[in-house]
Amino acid sequence: GAVVSQHPSWVICKSGTSVKIECRSLDFQATTMFWYRQFPKQSLMLMATSNEGSKATYEQGVEKDKFLINHASLTLSTLTVTSAHPEDSSFYICSALPDRLISYEQYFGPGTRLTVT
Amino acid sequence: RKEVEQDPGPFNVPEGATVAFNCTYSNSASQSFFWYRQDCRKEPKLLMSVYSSGNEDGRFTAQLNRASQYISLLIRDSKLSDSATYLCVVKEYSSASKIIFGSGTRLSIRP
Repeated sequence: GAVVSQHPSWVICKSGTSVKIECRSLDFQATTMFWYRQFPKQSLMLMATSNEGSKATYEQGVEKDKFLINHASLTLSTLTVTSAHPEDSSFYICSALPDRLISYEQYFGPGTRLTVT
Repeated sequence: RKEVEQDPGPFNVPEGATVAFNCTYSNSASQSFFWYRQDCRKEPKLLMSVYSSGNEDGRFTAQLNRASQYISLLIRDSKLSDSATYLCVVKEYSSASKIIFGSGTRLSIRP
């Protein structure tokens, strides 16, 4: 159990376009999901915390108008990179925190590799 | 000071060796601790949680020292398949709190 999927797994887009990444918890409900970004040879950096039914909480330095997060259901959160630029090229990983109270473990999706040309 | 700091690595050790990583955290309110493993271009996967009493899972042993605010990971009889980046993860008690990743320690096991 505890599977998280991401779609797409990789995407190439042109500068100025928008890209939507989906994160789904397949066999559990997750009120809280997290979005991370990882540049080559660096650790994961939390971008935002996504809460179902409310606005996402963004980390300092992350532009909320550029990285739109929508957590419309207990199993789906989406991240939209608007007006993408080459410097947005990165590995975007989501994680989901199961609603069951006994677990604090986050389950990670397989990641989405974004390349902006 | 970073919230979570790890040995920078890379560690390059022969197969069969014992290797240890340390990780320090700055927030004394931190309550949950984990070691994750991340293979190249893959998502992190939970290796083990770290408990106050210390815990062992096969060749892997994790220790927590709350007084000095550090956790450690010991790998015995290392295998080629242990080559990866090991991420130290720290979390506050609330389940809704964010988790903080260390920058990771790269381990390379040579034949």
